[in-house]
Formats: sequence, C-alpha cells, structure tokens
Amino acid sequence: QKEVEQDPGPLSVPEGAIVSLNCTYSNSAFQYFMWYRQYSRKGPELLMYTYSSGNKEDGRFTAQVDKSSKYISLFIRDSQPSDSATYLCAMSAGGYQKVTFGTGTKLQVIP
Amino acid sequence: KAGVTQTPRYLIKTRGQQVTLSCSPISGHRSVSWYQQTPGQGLQFLFEYFSETQRNKGNFPGRFSGRQFSNSRSEMNVSTLELGDSALYLCASSLEGGLGSPLHFGNGTRLTVT
Repeated sequence: QKEVEQDPGPLSVPEGAIVSLNCTYSNSAFQYFMWYRQYSRKGPELLMYTYSSGNKEDGRFTAQVDKSSKYISLFIRDSQPSDSATYLCAMSAGGYQKVTFGTGTKLQVIP
Repeated sequence: KAGVTQTPRYLIKTRGQQVTLSCSPISGHRSVSWYQQTPGQGLQFLFEYFSETQRNKGNFPGRFSGRQFSNSRSEMNVSTLELGDSALYLCASSLEGGLGSPLHFGNGTRLTVT
C-alpha cells in the first residue's frame, strides 16, 4: 500500500463548478501538506502549503487537512478552463525528511 | 528571480549507455532534490543534496547517483541505462530543504531509453 493515495481521475467538470480533490495517507508523522499543479510538459508548481490540521484559503483555492482521518482536500471555486491540469498532493514529516507525492489527479474544466 | 533550470529538456539514449542531467537551483536555495516521474508511479524521490552532501536517498539502485557543487548546482547521473529508466526527471530546489520548506520545480528532463 502506498503512503499517499490519490484518485488519478480524470475528473471533468463544467466551467464555474466547485472542484474537490482529495488524498489519503497512512503515515501519521506527516505534518506538512502541499498541493502542486502541473501543466502538460511543465514541472509542478506549488499552490498551497499548510502545516498540521485546519483550513487555508488563497483566492479561489482552499486547502483542508484532517489529521485525525489522515485526509486532505483541495477545493477550487469558480473553476476555469485554465485550471485544467494535474493536481498533486504532497506531504512531509518535516525536519529533513523527503516529500512524498500522490500520483496526481487530472482535472479538465470544460468551457 | 529566475526559476529552477534543467538541461537538457529532452534526451534519447540507448540501453547500456549513461546519461548526465543538470540542474541550476533558484539563487539562494541550498537544497536540491531529484525526482523521477512516470505515469504509473508518480513522483518518486531519488535523492536530496544540501551543501554538497547527500542528505537523503530514495529506494533506487546504485546506477542512479548525483552530486552538488559549491554553487548549489547539481547533476544527476544514470549509468547502464535500462528501458524502465525512461521518465521525466525533475529537479527541485528549496531554501534549506528542512522543516517542510516548499519545493520549487524545474520543467524536467524527458529521458527516453531505446
């Protein structure tokens, strides 16, 4: 079983929809949680970065972490065609530990 | 500020050959990590360098090696290439590499082994 599980999709939604992307994990030592967006033929770019449990909002993006359930989510409000990309969750125990990634969810926002 | 630069962008090699990939981190970043990305496995951690020392290593065979120079630039080498080494190799830099400091990725080197 992988340390981080993420539904690969693809997920197809109409423009303006609210998108929910999720990851589950098994390592209770993880305390830093990130979401990356990766466009085709590009490297991942950091979207959201949170520490421990709770919510964090940045524009149309909201990240939620529930450490008790080992479950993290990324919500995208008013989705746009430009949001079409692969979204990767990532997490780390901190210190100098490696960052572990999910396999990514491919999102397509249809105009 | 310039981002992470990886060269070359594309490489085609034959089984048994070796290859060297290069990465220039964001100015001021001292930690460089390397990841292999494939459709089935996602991003797999190869290794991390900080101040010219390998600080972390993933579960890859010894054919995969790397180094970091005093200016924080890093190279990754793969010897005796196998077909399964075909992947996108991503380099990421961060300020210190610790305490969960965010990674900033380059656009990768696409390696194809024939």
